[in-house]
Amino acid sequence: GEDVEQSLFLSVREGDSSVINCTYTDSSSTYLYWYKQEPGAGLQLLTYIFSNMDMKQDQRLTVLLNKKDKHLSLRIADTQTGDSAIYFCAELRSQGNLIFGKGTKLSVKP
Amino acid sequence: KAGVTQTPRYLIKTRGQQVTLSCSPISGHRSVSWYQQTPGQGLQFLFEYFSETQRNKGNFPGRFSGRQFSNSRSEMNVSTLELGDSALYLCASSLGAGIAGDQYFGPGTRLLVL
Repeated sequence: GEDVEQSLFLSVREGDSSVINCTYTDSSSTYLYWYKQEPGAGLQLLTYIFSNMDMKQDQRLTVLLNKKDKHLSLRIADTQTGDSAIYFCAELRSQGNLIFGKGTKLSVKP
Repeated sequence: KAGVTQTPRYLIKTRGQQVTLSCSPISGHRSVSWYQQTPGQGLQFLFEYFSETQRNKGNFPGRFSGRQFSNSRSEMNVSTLELGDSALYLCASSLGAGIAGDQYFGPGTRLLVL
C-alpha cells in the first residue's frame, strides 16, 4: 500500500528500553527518518539512516533497518519521562518529499 | 546557527478569507518543503521549492500555492479558506534537491479557520 505504518501507542516504564517499529512502502526510498513531536510543538529530527546502512547508533538511540522487509525500528535505551512524545517515521521518496507514518505515542511511566 | 523559523505562529481566520504563511530556512539551505498536519490525515506533503522553482507538489487543491524567493525564504498561500484547512502547517529545510540527509522542521504555524 501507500501508507507508512506504525503502531499507535507504546507504554514503557522509566529506565526500560523502548522499541518503536515502522514499515515503509517504497524500496527506492533513499533516507529514512525518525522525528519526535511534543505537544504543541513542531517536529524534532532525531536521526536518519541512509538506505544502504542496516544500523545507526547515536547515544541512546539505535536505528535498525531491514531493507528486504522494508522495516525500520527505533530503540531508545534507558527511556526517561522526557522521552514521552509522539514519534514519527518517514521515508524520503525519490521525488524529494517525505511520507510519514501516523505516529506512535510513547508514554513513559515513572 | 539559527533554526527554521515560521511566522506567524498562530492565526485565526474565517471561511472565505485567504492567508499567507512564511518560512525562513536554515542559512545555506536552499530547499523548503511544506506539510499540513491534521489529527485525521496526519502529515501530508504540500509542495517543495528549490532555487525559486516548485520541484514537487502533493495532492492538494489549487487553493494552496507557494513561492520561494532568491534568499530561499518561502511563503505559502491558501485562498478561500475552508473549515477543513484548520491545521498545523510545517515547513522543512534541507540543503537542496538531491542532497537529502538532514530535513529540519520549523515550529509550525497553527491555523484555525472559523
